[in-house]
Amino acid sequence: ILNVEQSPQSLHVQEGDSTNFTCSFPSSNFYALHWYRWETAKSPEALFVMTLNGDEKKKGRISATLNTKEGYSYLYIKGSQPEDSATYLCAFTDSWGKLQFGAGTQVVVTP
Amino acid sequence: DVKVTQSSRYLVKRTGEKVFLECVQDMDHENMFWYRQDPGLGLRLIYFSYDVKMKEKGDIPEGYSVSREKKERFSLILESASTNQTSMYLCASSSPGGWGYTFGSGTRLTVV
Repeated sequence: ILNVEQSPQSLHVQEGDSTNFTCSFPSSNFYALHWYRWETAKSPEALFVMTLNGDEKKKGRISATLNTKEGYSYLYIKGSQPEDSATYLCAFTDSWGKLQFGAGTQVVVTP
Repeated sequence: DVKVTQSSRYLVKRTGEKVFLECVQDMDHENMFWYRQDPGLGLRLIYFSYDVKMKEKGDIPEGYSVSREKKERFSLILESASTNQTSMYLCASSSPGGWGYTFGSGTRLTVV
């Protein structure tokens, strides 16, 4: 059973469209929430680390929000491009300092 | 450029073989981790280590062991490979109190 749930499992987006997806996690004993991007044949790459309720982070066309009280985070991609195609993983830091990962959302951007 | 290096990108092994997956990091990180990734299951922690010669079981240690004789190297050992160990294996490292991990590029292991 995953403590971290991501939805949807996969989505297809037309180039230029914007999209978003969700990560939900236990709201108790929260330390930090992480987003990674994992492209095929590459290492997962850290996108954001968020610690405070209401945090918003932005990196280019990708942004994320955090709600620790209700236990969810959204990742947004604005104006999707083919290079955004990847699996997006979220993880939260547990009380032992280890990361607990979700199953990921696979994003496919078609030209 | 700092990195975590996994020795093989693809491996094919036979059932019953002893398999070694090697991971080396050059960031002087204390913490190292082995995960496997399977469709729909996310990254599941197999073993981790907070120091040389130290190891802790993760969520799915059965059928695996690890070795950490040097700080920079963390090996995952499949004592007798089975087909249900066919998976993508990821190594990662972090510093104590550091936020997040640095990952290797993964080893896709197929056991036939």
